[in-house]
Amino acid sequence: KQEVTQIPAALSVPEGENLVLNCSFTDSAIYNLQWFRQDPGKGLTSLLLIQSSQREQTSGRLNASLDKSSGRSTLYIAASQPGDSATYLCARRRAGNNRKLIWGLGTSLGVNP
Amino acid sequence: GAGVSQSPRYKVTKRGQDVALRCDPISGHVSLYWYRQALGQGPEFLTYFNYEAQQDKSGLPNDRFSAERPEGSISTLTIQRTEQRDSAMYRCASSLGIPGQVDNEQFFGPGTRLTVL
Repeated sequence: KQEVTQIPAALSVPEGENLVLNCSFTDSAIYNLQWFRQDPGKGLTSLLLIQSSQREQTSGRLNASLDKSSGRSTLYIAASQPGDSATYLCARRRAGNNRKLIWGLGTSLGVNP
Repeated sequence: GAGVSQSPRYKVTKRGQDVALRCDPISGHVSLYWYRQALGQGPEFLTYFNYEAQQDKSGLPNDRFSAERPEGSISTLTIQRTEQRDSAMYRCASSLGIPGQVDNEQFFGPGTRLTVL
């Protein structure tokens, strides 16, 4: 069973739209949750990290929220641009000393000009 | 260096050969992580270190895989007797990892694309 689930698997939108990517996790004992961007042939770029004590984090046009009780995080992208086209991955670190990240499969986003 | 570096960026090898993948973390980062990512999948945890100590190796698929970080900085992931199913992107990350520090954001290198023929 996938511990971290991302919906939708793929999304295509016209430029300028506001959009929401969803990440859900089965274990509410969470230490933090991190959103990444992955471009083809390139590495993973960290976008936002939300600690378990926080409800949201913002960076530019990106806003990520965390609701531990429902086991969900959302990444909100405002005024999408073609340059936002990439795969977006969420990963959570479980509470405790183990620092490994458990990952979702990602949402592939295409923003059309 | 400014970020996490990995070498080689690409490695093509024949089945049965051994390979060694190198990761150079961000200077001063205590924690170092190895992940593997198959095409179209999310990354999969392999192992991680705090300083030179291997903290968790539960993600290593079998005993052909091993990792070390002898001086608490550069790490090597070794795959012995490679098989075609080992083909994947191998990603390394590091984090500040100071106990008690709230921010343990992981920063990733560019990865090594391993192809086993």
